[in-house]
Amino acid sequence: KQEVTQIPAALSVPEGENLVLNCSFTDSAIYNLQWFRQDPGKGLTSLLLIQSSQREQTSGRLNASLDKSSGRSTLYIAASQPGDSATYLCAVRNTGNQFYFGTGTSLTVIP
Amino acid sequence: NAGVMQNPRHLVRRRGQEARLRCSPMKGHSHVYWYRQLPEEGLKFMVYLQKENIIDESGMPKERFSAEFPKEGPSILRIQQVVRGDSAAYFCASSPRLGGTNEKLFFGSGTQLSVL
Repeated sequence: KQEVTQIPAALSVPEGENLVLNCSFTDSAIYNLQWFRQDPGKGLTSLLLIQSSQREQTSGRLNASLDKSSGRSTLYIAASQPGDSATYLCAVRNTGNQFYFGTGTSLTVIP
Repeated sequence: NAGVMQNPRHLVRRRGQEARLRCSPMKGHSHVYWYRQLPEEGLKFMVYLQKENIIDESGMPKERFSAEFPKEGPSILRIQQVVRGDSAAYFCASSPRLGGTNEKLFFGSGTQLSVL
């Protein structure tokens, strides 16, 4: 069974700093990996999706990478802002059309 | 194109009552997933449905919980005889047909169930 781990569980950085969030998964037979953002009391918003054949995806200040063979993905956030404060989750879609979620990284950007 | 719609947003039930949570997927989406989230915990998969079919219910408790996604109308997650431990946020997500590697999962805003 696929297991997804995210570290760190929580991260606090000053505004303007660049940061990296990590996601690892145990089964490399995946279709894609998706990064989400969740604000308190809200649903999940999709940030980036990386297909299994891709190495990275970029959207604005966000860059996600995927190393399928080693079971790892990173989400890079450049020039962090207080509005980036949220919980970030990664989800792996396996070949059985099931999605497995990590427990998330809670990010706080201090003004 | 409206997103995934869940209602009610908040639901309060007393122990022993039934809870019905509704989810209307995005237009054109035929795959629905239900997840449960407890405070400070990740999303736990419950059930995966396509129209009129349950594909995977391995995450759903065998008793008191059921789900459906009829040909017409929203998907329903039903919890009978609720207990305090059922209190949680329940999220629905939908996806178009899953034939490719670039199809995303879209989430609703969730239903917060509180059992008194």
